[in-house]
Amino acid sequence: RKEVEQDPGPFNVPEGATVAFNCTYSNSASQSFFWYRQDCRKEPKLLMSVYSSGNEDGRFTAQLNRASQYISLLIRDSKLSDSATYLCVVNYNNAGNMLTFGGGTRLMVKP
Amino acid sequence: NAGVTQTPKFRVLKTGQSMTLLCAQDMNHEYMYWYRQDPGMGLRLIHYSVGEGTTAKGEVPDGYNVSRLKKQNFLLGLESAAPSQTSVYFCASSYLLTGSQHFGDGTRLSIL
Repeated sequence: RKEVEQDPGPFNVPEGATVAFNCTYSNSASQSFFWYRQDCRKEPKLLMSVYSSGNEDGRFTAQLNRASQYISLLIRDSKLSDSATYLCVVNYNNAGNMLTFGGGTRLMVKP
Repeated sequence: NAGVTQTPKFRVLKTGQSMTLLCAQDMNHEYMYWYRQDPGMGLRLIHYSVGEGTTAKGEVPDGYNVSRLKKQNFLLGLESAAPSQTSVYFCASSYLLTGSQHFGDGTRLSIL
């Protein structure tokens, strides 16, 4: 089992739609969770951290479910500019608690 | 406000050649990392450093060496390049080991 698993997609949605991605992680002791965004041929950039109580940043909402070991990202009112790959990131207790990146979920927002 | 800077941006090598990729950060971060990203594989950690003068192996360290002689710089070396090392290489830094990482804009390396 991969340490951090994501559906690679692509998720094709129309502008204005709401879309949600899930990510599962294998280490129940993980403490740090993030969503990163990566545009084509660009570097990953931090989108938001994920907190235990869930958190929101504008149109983006992140949730953490420790019991089921998954995190989610909800994007409301999708924009064309949201088209990107979204990487789920979790700290993993190997080699010193390093961050481990999921393979990413590709989102394509269509006009 | 440079953040993390990688040089070079692109490079083409022949099999067996050697080269060094340079990463520099101006955020006074203790932790620095080198990743490679291949299609369908996601980001894989090559080596990392928890401070000046220290380095450690990541998930895919074979064929690479690193050095952190100065806190702000983290060098990745390929001693004898192989076609399997064709990839996009990203450097990153962070304030905490489990904290969010800041990435450079990558080096696209092709080995013929």
